[in-house]
Amino acid sequence: AQSVTQPDIHITVSEGASLELRCNYSYGATPYLFWYVQSPGQGLQLLLKYFSGDTLVQGIKGFEAEFKRSQSSFNLRKPSVHWSDAAEYFCAVGSGTYKYIFGTGTRLKVLA
Amino acid sequence: DAGITQSPRHKVTETGTPVTLRCHQTENHRYMYWYRQDPGHGLRLIHYSYGVKDTDKGEVSDGYSVSRSKTEDFLLTLESATSSQTSVYFCAISESGGSARELFFGEGSRLTVL
Repeated sequence: AQSVTQPDIHITVSEGASLELRCNYSYGATPYLFWYVQSPGQGLQLLLKYFSGDTLVQGIKGFEAEFKRSQSSFNLRKPSVHWSDAAEYFCAVGSGTYKYIFGTGTRLKVLA
Repeated sequence: DAGITQSPRHKVTETGTPVTLRCHQTENHRYMYWYRQDPGHGLRLIHYSYGVKDTDKGEVSDGYSVSRSKTEDFLLTLESATSSQTSVYFCAISESGGSARELFFGEGSRLTVL
C-alpha cells in the first residue's frame, strides 16, 4: 500500500543549529514528492517539490530536500534554523490522479 | 497568497445537526479538495472536485457530501454531525489535474461537535 512515514513526531533544535526532518515513502512508481509547512492556525504552504531530474531540490526559506530512490526517502534539511521556522512540517506523495498521501507531520520546536 | 476563503473559521455544533462548510476561491482553479486534519493522522482526503458538478470520494467520505455548482465554490456538508467529525477541515485547490501539481490551502475551519 502507498504510504508516507515521518518517524519523528517532535523535534527540538537550537536556533542556528542544522535541521534534518525525515520522510520515507512507499510508492510503486516514480513519486511526486512535496514538503509543506504549517504555522499555528494556518493552512499548509509548499516549501519544495520533486518531480524528476536533480535529486537535490531547493525550496523557500532556505530549505532543501534530497530524493534518494534507493532509500525511498525525501529528507528535508536546513543548515541553520531560525526561531521563525518553528512549525509543523508535512511530507506528501503525489499518488496518481488527484490523490496525495500526507505523512502525519513533524512538529519543530526551536530553542532560543 | 492564493485566494482561498473558508467559512466559518470556527463552529461549535451539537450531535445530529447539519453543518455546511464553504470554500471560496478566486483563482479560477479547476480542482478543489476537502481534507480533514487530526492529530496522528496528518491530512486525509474527504472529497474532491475536478470541475463544476464533478466530484468524487476520497478516503474518509462516509458521513460527508459535497457540491460544486460554480467554479469558485465547493461546499462540504455533514448531514448529521457526530463527535467523530470534530476536526479541522481544510480546503485546497490546484490549477490542473494530476498529483504533480502543488496544492494551495485555505486557513482551515475548526469544527467541534458536542
